[in-house]
Amino acid sequence: DTEVTQTPKHLVMGMTNKKSLKCEQHMGHRAMYWYKQKAKKPPELMFVYSYEKLSINESVPSRFSPECPNSSLLNLHLHALQPEDSALYLCASSQDRTGSYGYTFGSGTRLTVV
Amino acid sequence: AQRVTQPEKLLSVFKGAPVELKCNYSYSGSPELFWYVQYSRQRLQLLLRHISRESIKGFTADLNKGETSFHLKKPFAQEEDSAMYYCALRNSGAGSYQLTFGKGTKLSVIP
Repeated sequence: DTEVTQTPKHLVMGMTNKKSLKCEQHMGHRAMYWYKQKAKKPPELMFVYSYEKLSINESVPSRFSPECPNSSLLNLHLHALQPEDSALYLCASSQDRTGSYGYTFGSGTRLTVV
Repeated sequence: AQRVTQPEKLLSVFKGAPVELKCNYSYSGSPELFWYVQYSRQRLQLLLRHISRESIKGFTADLNKGETSFHLKKPFAQEEDSAMYYCALRNSGAGSYQLTFGKGTKLSVIP
């Protein structure tokens, strides 16, 4: 298995909803990432997990809450989002936190906040 | 602070013509650079790493530290090369490693 799998592929949620995005990889990668990508823009880093520990939080609002239950899974819990949070949320993984061998990206969850 | 600049938002070339996608970077340390590609309706995927000095799908990229550039080149463009290309810099600071992306260049190969 050489893929990063993200579910759901699409999500529409209201501003008072609570939802979660899921990411899974079985490549033995020990670093996992959440990126946010707005239309026609490059991905922007949100969070980095290394060996299941949060190592980077790029000043992301608390309405986004990451969780890494084990080395294969990464979740992003969403609560009280704003319409401007609508974007493509990408999960990625790398062999280790250095990322020297490159990242493997998932296909993303397209989130719409209404 | 690190920065990656891709000066062209859109690059159109004819099939069979040479392609050069420009990337310049600004970084005080020793950089590691990558090219990522995103084909229509597909996920972002790694194309090249500068440290591997490889050719993938006919593309090559050479790190020029003097000019702080990492341009992506292909001698003969194919229609299937049409995609969004992102140059990315891996920086390291205070024990952390982050991948910073340029704004991307959309390559359109005209048949």
